Amino acid sequence: GAVVSQHPSRVICKSGTSVKIECRSLDFQATTMFWYRQFPKKSLMLMATSNEGSKATYEQGVEKDKFLINHASLTLSTLTVTSAHPEDSSFYICSGGQPNTEAFFGQGTRLTVV
Amino acid sequence: KNQVEQSPQSLIILEGKNCTLQCNYTVSPFSNLRWYKQDTGRGPVSLTIMTFSENTKSNGRYTATLDADTKQSSLHITASQLSDSASYICVVTSTGTASKLTFGTGTRLQVTL
Repeated sequence: GAVVSQHPSRVICKSGTSVKIECRSLDFQATTMFWYRQFPKKSLMLMATSNEGSKATYEQGVEKDKFLINHASLTLSTLTVTSAHPEDSSFYICSGGQPNTEAFFGQGTRLTVV
Repeated sequence: KNQVEQSPQSLIILEGKNCTLQCNYTVSPFSNLRWYKQDTGRGPVSLTIMTFSENTKSNGRYTATLDADTKQSSLHITASQLSDSASYICVVTSTGTASKLTFGTGTRLQVTL
């Protein structure tokens, strides 16, 4: 089946710095990819929809200037957490796939801001 | 409002036993329903996907059912193994919202010796 590769799996950064998370579709072209955030023992929460070649669509309450999304190619979407703070510490997951078929998730990135 | 509710919230069973997880949804219009397994600290992995016309679908020891009339689904795990310990998430897609998925809160399953 299709594979979505997410990198890094874990990252620790200092407060105030920026962190970039990459999400690659390895064997399919993803015109749309999704970024989620997950708190412990909670379900995935959609942050934004990443569209290749155009601006991302952010969910209500998600700061687009804080969570920068770039989808410059059909196989790569990136999420940059800018000026990270401890409250940004979370598990971030991307997904890609066709709307009415499988949604393939990346392995997730555990971000810890100290 | 589209919602997906799962029960039980958590479950502990002995290795080798069977179990059934429930999912009720109010997502409309309905496109498909998916069950995912999520290990701690990992991304969800697809188990099954069912459309409106499908009543049951199996993937090894996992069997999912769907009743589109009552808007209920179940995931049955047969002969559980320790490696089945994970969160199981029910996800429903609506045709009205295209690519957006509505996630259930998940059932945390622990299989013990």
